[in-house]
Amino acid sequence: DAGVTQTPRHEVAEKGQTIILKCEPVSGHNDLFWYRQTKIQGLELLSYFRSKSLMEDGGAFKDRFKAEMLNSSFSTLKIQPTEPKDSAVYLCASSQGQNTLYFGAGTRLSVL
Amino acid sequence: GDSVTQTEGQVTVSESKSLIINCTYSATSIGYPNLFWYVRYPGEGLQLLLKVITAGQKGSSRGFEATYNKEATSFHLQKASVQESDSAVYYCALSWTQVVGQLTFGRGTRLQVYA
Repeated sequence: DAGVTQTPRHEVAEKGQTIILKCEPVSGHNDLFWYRQTKIQGLELLSYFRSKSLMEDGGAFKDRFKAEMLNSSFSTLKIQPTEPKDSAVYLCASSQGQNTLYFGAGTRLSVL
Repeated sequence: GDSVTQTEGQVTVSESKSLIINCTYSATSIGYPNLFWYVRYPGEGLQLLLKVITAGQKGSSRGFEATYNKEATSFHLQKASVQESDSAVYYCALSWTQVVGQLTFGRGTRLQVYA
C-alpha cells in the first residue's frame, strides 16, 4: 500500500509568491493533518480534516495559510503571500480512526 | 498552552551502552494526556515508536521502553543496549483527544550511536 505522498519534495519561492503544497493520504484514511516544522518552533499542527471537513485550523496560521481537502484522496496547503519566515518543512499525515498515524516525507519550503 | 520539553538536542552514545532520553510535559488541562514517542530514521518519515494512554503504565517497542510518570509528568525513553541502527531523531509528544494526529511535540533529540 502506498503511504502518504507529498509533492513537491522541495520548493523555492520568492517573497510574495503563492505556493501550493500537495498531499495524498493513505487510501481509506479519513483523518488528515498538516504540520509545520521549524528549528525554532519545532512541529506545529496547522490543520486537521475529518472526512474532508475542516475540524481545526490553527489560529496563528489563518492569515496567509489555507488548507483544503478537495476529495478524500487529495489535500492542498496554500500559502499566500509567502514570507521568508514561512521557510520550513511541511508535513502531511493521515490516520483511520484511532489507528496509527502515518506521515509523509515532507516538503521543504525555502522563501527568499 | 501545553508544552513538551526534551532537554537534550543531541545525544551521542557508544554501541551496546544504555540510553535515556528525557521528556517532561506541562499541561493546562486537568487530567492525564496520552503520551507518545515518535522516531525519524535517516531518509524516512516520522513514525510512531510507542505510546501509553494510561498514567502509570509502561510502553515498549523495538527494545525501547517508556514509563508514564504522572507525578513527575515525565515520559523518559530508555534502552538497555543501543545499536548503530537506533541512530535517529526521537520526538516526545502528547495529545488530549482520541484523534491521533492532534499532537503537541517536543523539539526532538538526535541520537547518534557509534561503533
